[in-house]
Amino acid sequence: DQQVKQNSPSLSVQEGRISILNCDYTNSMFDYFLWYKKYPAEGPTFLISISSIKDKNEDGRFTVFLNKSAKHLSLHIVPSQPGDSAVYFCAARRTGGFKTIFGAGTRLFVKA
Amino acid sequence: DVKVTQSSRYLVKRTGEKVFLECVQDMDHENMFWYRQDPGLGLRLIYFSYDVKMKEKGDIPEGYSVSREKKERFSLILESASTNQTSMYLCASGPWDTGKKLPQHFGDGTRLSIL
Repeated sequence: DQQVKQNSPSLSVQEGRISILNCDYTNSMFDYFLWYKKYPAEGPTFLISISSIKDKNEDGRFTVFLNKSAKHLSLHIVPSQPGDSAVYFCAARRTGGFKTIFGAGTRLFVKA
Repeated sequence: DVKVTQSSRYLVKRTGEKVFLECVQDMDHENMFWYRQDPGLGLRLIYFSYDVKMKEKGDIPEGYSVSREKKERFSLILESASTNQTSMYLCASGPWDTGKKLPQHFGDGTRLSIL
């Protein structure tokens, strides 16, 4: 049973445009959400996170939006750059829990 | 800068062999994790440890064991390697979560092939 779902295996975007990556979760106990970025032959690197007490968090070109009622979060990248081409993993945790639950990932292609 | 180091980037072993994957972190983190990454399945937790000599099963522990004799080192052991254990293995570490929301840090992974 996948508690964190990324339903789009891949996404292709033109350079300079907005990339929107989506993620849904089923466990209402999750209160901390993260996005990781992974290049081939490297480990995932932490990108941005959001606590359930917020609905938006920004860091430069990256913004994460959280809709708790819909159990949905999204990552916006504006403007997209070719170097953003990577696999993006959505992840979730709950307070007091050791485990971070990851989605299957979305491969983003940014075309120059 | 934080550092999680996995001993091998690529490894080829034979069916039935006992395989050791090593991971070392230099951040004095309490928690360490082993995941495997497979296409379409994302990262799945095999085992984790929240202290020296402590270990907990993750979501897919079958066929694996772990060892944590020192705080900085967490080893994954494939007791008798099988072809369905061919995968990318990722080690991660993270601080004890006292309410501060802090991410895990990952190593670069070991791509393991079992022939």
